[in-house]
Amino acid sequence: EVQLVESGGGLVQPGGSLRLSCAASGFTLSSYWMHWVRQAPGKGLMWVSHVNSDGSTTTYADSVKGRFTISGDNAKNTLFLQMNSLRAEDTAVYYCVRGGRHTSGAFDIWGQGTMVTVSS
Amino acid sequence: QSALTQPASVSGSPGQSITISCTGTSSDVGGYNYVSWYQQHPGKAPKLMIYDVTNRPSGVSNRFSGSKSGNTASLTISGLQAEDESNYYCSSYTTRSTVVFGGGTKLTVL
Repeated sequence: EVQLVESGGGLVQPGGSLRLSCAASGFTLSSYWMHWVRQAPGKGLMWVSHVNSDGSTTTYADSVKGRFTISGDNAKNTLFLQMNSLRAEDTAVYYCVRGGRHTSGAFDIWGQGTMVTVSS
Repeated sequence: QSALTQPASVSGSPGQSITISCTGTSSDVGGYNYVSWYQQHPGKAPKLMIYDVTNRPSGVSNRFSGSKSGNTASLTISGLQAEDESNYYCSSYTTRSTVVFGGGTKLTVL
């Protein structure tokens, strides 16, 4: 079964760091563009970042650029999102999402999400 | 990057058709045929309903269809059913190599 399972969310103080993980099964992560999308409580979806299929290109939303880093471990078939200098406005459910093989693509597989709460 | 513009809410009776619009600019919706639509029930992860403007993934009902004219994309749901009541989001690839979502539309089946 094709599946994405996120972990690593939790409560963190403003200015702190957190690393999210996304374990893929049923497909090879490095064959697809992979994304992180977040959703603040009661709000809409917001794209956060993506990495292309060969890992050579990463792109970020302006609001997280310089603070977040997306990466992957091909051996573990796992995607990561390192989040530093966290702010209250980063509080959201973070989804790991599969994109296309050769382009950013449509988001056809979503994880169940992991909640990140930034609060003192 | 500003969010794409969607109506906050739409409604329709069972059996009717509704259309949800998604307006962007020539830098996103108008510039690429990479518009997608997602359905999200409360507390659940989104589900892909339409990709590349008009295509339906396997398993999605043919009551769902997509189109685009200029900088505005549309999702049409025909033969409304109670189970269609949900939140719907559009998204588009952009000239900055990012992805932008619409603000979301709550569909109510009367």
